[in-house]
This record gives sequence, structure tokens and C-alpha cells, in this order.
Amino acid sequence: IQMTQSPSSLSASVGARVTITCQASEDISNFVNWYQQKPGKAPKVLIQEASNLQTGVPSRFSGGGSGTHFIFTISSLQPEDTATYYCQHYHSVPITFGGGTKVEIK
Amino acid sequence: QVQLQQSGPGLVKPSETLSLTCSVSGGSISRFFWSWIRQSPDKKLEYIGHMSHSGVTDYNPSFRSRATMFVDTSKNQFSLHLTSVTAADTAIYYCARLIITSDIFSLDFWGQGTLVTVSS
Repeated sequence: IQMTQSPSSLSASVGARVTITCQASEDISNFVNWYQQKPGKAPKVLIQEASNLQTGVPSRFSGGGSGTHFIFTISSLQPEDTATYYCQHYHSVPITFGGGTKVEIK
Repeated sequence: QVQLQQSGPGLVKPSETLSLTCSVSGGSISRFFWSWIRQSPDKKLEYIGHMSHSGVTDYNPSFRSRATMFVDTSKNQFSLHLTSVTAADTAIYYCARLIITSDIFSLDFWGQGTLVTVSS
């Protein structure tokens, strides 16, 4: 199963609403996670099962979708959100990740 | 707080075996699942596989012929061996704890990453 993530990069102002999409090559129900990776660090899981916020993650992060189309949103971009974001499916083996979206502050 | 500390060489010669170990502290390895993931120089993430604390493994088919994972519960650590490496195996390798339920499959704690370069 291929996970096509877009855009590959974006630049937005502080306070802006940011949306990233992930398209699966076949129906994967809601078996998607979203990760944040800051430079030089390991990825950190933000959202599980397409829309469930991990404990301790700020509420400005959200996720949605099912089937083949998934959306990750930052409702009000903050400077500390500068990072690369990845989707990951776990519907079947092999587990695969999207190509990543690099988010920068304008 | 669970912490994962990785160890192993950063340089491996072509055709040799890459060996990495992940030591778990702040919790017992005798629960949960344990995974290896790698990140290539172009930042793409690739899932290698995972195993249970009892040693049952599940590999990405791309790695099944070359990868071996095993756990040492007495040392609270788990390991990855990847044989016959080539330059294409140059990457940052991460270990991680994996939570699996009927609905969840989540990598919630990660090691610091080990940059492994394959070069003579």
C-alpha cells in the first residue's frame, strides 16, 4: 500500500491553518498514524487511528479521514511546529510511511 | 518514563553484517512489541519489522531474507542484525516501542537513532 503525501513542503505564517493530506493506494479504513519529526530527533507520534490525539499533544493538532483519504491539520501554526510530518498506515504488511511534509514558518 | 538507548557501530563494510542493540530502561521489555525503522539520507522512513517480547517476529518482506531481530529479556534489550549490506543500507536506524491492539499500531517511544554508513 502506497501512501502519497502532499504537499512535500509548505511555508505559512504564525497563526495560519495548515493542512496536509495523505492518499492511500487502497482502502485502509482508519488505520493511519501521524508523526512529527524535528531536525536531529526521532519521530514522535501525534495522532493514532486517523483522529485520536496522543496524550499530551496540543489540541491545535487534529486528524481525520477514512478509506483512502486522510487529513492532518494544525489549526494555528506555532513556531515550535517547524518540523517534518509523516503519515503511516498499518492496515497490512508492509507498514509504510508517506514521503513527509516539511513545515516552515514564513 | 521509558527510554531506549541504541548502540552499535556507525560504519559497516559492504557485504558485512550490520548489528545494532537497543537497551530499554524505565520499563520491562517483557510486555509490548519492539520495532526497527530506518530513515534514508533523503528522509524517507522505512519499516523493517517488529517482534514480541517472546521473540515472535514480523518483517517487512523487503528485509525478510536479510534481517534478524531477537530479544534478550535478561538484559532488557533487543537487537537487529542485517546481513549482506550495501551502500543502499546507509541510513539512520531507529528502535522503537510498538503498541499493538485491535485498533492501534503505534510507535510511542523511540531510540535516539544511529547513523550507519556502509562503506569500505
